[in-house]
Amino acid sequence: DAGVIQSPRHEVTEMGQEVTLRCKPISGHDYLFWYRQTMMRGLELLIYFNNNVPIDDSGMPEDRFSAKMPNASFSTLKIQPSEPRDSAVYFCASSFGRGLTDTQYFGPGTRLTVL
Amino acid sequence: GQQVMQIPQYQHVQEGEDFTTYCNSSTTLSNIQWYKQRPGGHPVFLIQLVKSGEVKKQKRLTFQFGEAKKNSSLHITATQTTDVGTYFCAGRYRSPNDMRFGAGTRLTVKP
Repeated sequence: DAGVIQSPRHEVTEMGQEVTLRCKPISGHDYLFWYRQTMMRGLELLIYFNNNVPIDDSGMPEDRFSAKMPNASFSTLKIQPSEPRDSAVYFCASSFGRGLTDTQYFGPGTRLTVL
Repeated sequence: GQQVMQIPQYQHVQEGEDFTTYCNSSTTLSNIQWYKQRPGGHPVFLIQLVKSGEVKKQKRLTFQFGEAKKNSSLHITATQTTDVGTYFCAGRYRSPNDMRFGAGTRLTVKP
């Protein structure tokens, strides 16, 4: 079975540019999570969806960040405009919600560098 | 707000020595999960603890959940170079997907 798929794996862009990160969750999973990982702040939950509906976006740092999940097999995280402090590894994870027993499966991550 | 504290931040050991990382929450957890992230990799699920006082073992790894369900530990016996990585705990609170990750403990092992 394919795991969580993320693209691109690496992204280098210049400040002010729009960045779009993509995620394909594991088929059948009904929860999708976006995380950001930096040395300074560790692993931060940005937003999560249940059945394609955003449930909690309190971790989204600013209005420059937006996330969508148009269907069960695809989600995007967009940063517009990007800034150097957005440089981080962005992980997507999915899970099958079974109450207390849902394990999150992480994708390989997208390493974003904003110059 | 709810927060999971994890210590130590770093641990450097000689191969063969033991290693322990601890997580603590100020409020009761529904369950706690442990993940391992290899350098350059992504977090990978190791185990979940649900019951008060639960102890689970995976080969050289021993996981414990406190009686009050506010703390947990991961102990590795006789570390090997393959144990290198960052170990995260993730505490789940009442809301089914209100999960908070600890800051992680980065383990390095000297051969």
